[in-house]
Amino acid sequence: GQQLNQSPQSMFIQEGEDVSMNCTSSSIFNTWLWYKQDPGEGPVLLIALYKAGELTSNGRLTAQFGITRKDSFLNISASIPSDVGIYFCAGQLIQGAQKLVFGQGTRLTINP
Amino acid sequence: KAGVTQTPRYLIKTRGQQVTLSCSPISGHRSVSWYQQTPGQGLQFLFEYFSETQRNKGNFPGRFSGRQFSNSRSEMNVSTLELGDSALYLCASSLVGGGNTGELFFGEGSRLTVL
Repeated sequence: GQQLNQSPQSMFIQEGEDVSMNCTSSSIFNTWLWYKQDPGEGPVLLIALYKAGELTSNGRLTAQFGITRKDSFLNISASIPSDVGIYFCAGQLIQGAQKLVFGQGTRLTINP
Repeated sequence: KAGVTQTPRYLIKTRGQQVTLSCSPISGHRSVSWYQQTPGQGLQFLFEYFSETQRNKGNFPGRFSGRQFSNSRSEMNVSTLELGDSALYLCASSLVGGGNTGELFFGEGSRLTVL
């Protein structure tokens, strides 16, 4: 089946640093979504991308839908302690369908 | 607007038992899907329902089943539980039929422990 390769698996950074993570796939996706999950909670949608090349921001978060439609990245600028958590990318083969393929997650730890 | 509500939040079962999990989608959302999250396999798609019909199904055995009611609420059932079924089961809903319908909103999950 489809797989998403998400990297890095974990990051240890200082507060205030910028963060970058990405996902690649062997399959073409029509939608890319980025989620954040805190311990004991469900994933929370951060950014949704619908067009190849699209660059979208949500506060300090910026994500891009790769031109080839096989990759996406998420950047977090000026990290703060509440950014700690696990970030997941997810690809959607059919826009509007609920079947998502998830990456394995990037665990972000921030040293104050 | 209330989010996706899942019950129960935590439950413990023994091997061979069955379990039913419930999900109430965001008001107005008609599409509901279920995911299993484990440390080893990550988040995996179980099935998707829209208008009481299963539209898509993941690669899980027949012991995993679900249904959707006319008010869009959904339940999933796992029969003959195995140790490997221990996981966080997440329900997600989305607005289908207009706008950016690719956005799935997740509940907090039901954590199942099988002993």
